[in-house]
Amino acid sequence: QQQVKQSPQSLIVQKGGISIINCAYENTAFDYFPWYQQFPGKGPALLIAIRPDVSEKKEGRFTISFNKSAKQFSLHIMDSQPGDSATYFCAAAGDYKLSFGAGTTVTVRA
Amino acid sequence: DAGVIQSPRHEVTEMGQEVTLRCKPISGHNSLFWYRQTMMRGLELLIYFNNNVPIDDSGMPEDRFSAKMPNASFSTLKIQPSEPRDSAVYFCASSLIGSKAISPQHFGDGTRLSIL
Repeated sequence: QQQVKQSPQSLIVQKGGISIINCAYENTAFDYFPWYQQFPGKGPALLIAIRPDVSEKKEGRFTISFNKSAKQFSLHIMDSQPGDSATYFCAAAGDYKLSFGAGTTVTVRA
Repeated sequence: DAGVIQSPRHEVTEMGQEVTLRCKPISGHNSLFWYRQTMMRGLELLIYFNNNVPIDDSGMPEDRFSAKMPNASFSTLKIQPSEPRDSAVYFCASSLIGSKAISPQHFGDGTRLSIL
């Protein structure tokens, strides 16, 4: 069964807009929540990660928000750019094993 | 530094043939992962090695799949005999896992496998 549920499956945003991707998990043993970005023909690349002792982490235009009680976390892409067009995967781990969400394809229109 | 290197990048072969995928992890990393990516099932972990030892192979689909890591700088994933349903993109990833902290996994660019 899928341990991490991700939504939406795809989204389209105008240049300069905000992209929001949501993920939810059930396993309370998870304590590491990374987001990966994947371009066509490439492997997933780590974008940003958070641990449950903080509620928010920001790196440049990318922000993770984490709600431990709701077992949810989300990625916000501010000021979206055409170069951000990619597939984004959330993931969760309690040890070595990453459980990935199904992915969200983001298209940024110029 | 070189990232995770996978070869070949593309492989097209006929059903029943043996397929061998290769991976060179990042130097100094002690953990290696093989994943399979398909539209239907997303990213699935096939097998995990730590210090060249297979730790978790619960994701290996069936006996047709086997993986080895003869040394810290090389791993193979073999499918014999191959079937059309094995068509997917296969990724190798590596990381440095310590006693406590989880380390990011670094992925190669994958092998796109097509079984005709």
